Amino acid sequence: AQSVSQHNHHVILSEAASLELGCNYSYGGTVNLFWYVQYPGQHLQLLLKYFSGDPLVKGIKGFEAEFIKSKFSFNLRKPSVQWSDTAEYFCAVIAHGSGNTGKLIFGQGTTLQVKP
Amino acid sequence: GAGVSQSPRYKVTKRGQDVALRCDPISGHVSLYWYRQALGQGPEFLTYFNYEAQQDKSGLPNDRFSAERPEGSISTLTIQRTEQRDSAMYRCASSPRTGYSNQPQHFGDGTRLSIL
Repeated sequence: AQSVSQHNHHVILSEAASLELGCNYSYGGTVNLFWYVQYPGQHLQLLLKYFSGDPLVKGIKGFEAEFIKSKFSFNLRKPSVQWSDTAEYFCAVIAHGSGNTGKLIFGQGTTLQVKP
Repeated sequence: GAGVSQSPRYKVTKRGQDVALRCDPISGHVSLYWYRQALGQGPEFLTYFNYEAQQDKSGLPNDRFSAERPEGSISTLTIQRTEQRDSAMYRCASSPRTGYSNQPQHFGDGTRLSIL
């Protein structure tokens, strides 16, 4: 079965530090890749997505992610975090195959705490 | 409304009772998904609707869980004879197109279900 693994469950950084959150998936076929973010008290929001083309995708609030097909990875990066980036981050995959439902397979999430 | 609306936001009920969770998707969205998120985990797929047709219910854990979307808009997820292990956040998402597309899913605020 397809799965998504996020390497870090809880990350603590100081403001202005650089961020990289790891995400790996297990599926050999075509995938669509996403990062969702949940700020405290809010719903899941799309941060960025990859469907095709340039493997380096840019999202909102200065985030970017790189799809490395050979490594089955889609790591999230930000050069300089802010206190307002404190949130829970989820990597998710749509694995193309039978059914064509577009259901998302999520990782377990990474809680990011940014200290002012 | 502008976003996906879920009700109630919180539901506390005694073991053995039936519960119904409601999702009102973004107007015009064809696809509707239900996910369940246990504490400390990522959301897990439950079921998918394409208009009023339930095209994938592979994620429903057992026959106590059912869902409907009779007019292709509002959906209800029903859990019969609730058990403590059903306690979780239940999330609904909608998307403007069917299955695979470059249109991401938009999530509601979720319903936090607690079974005593």
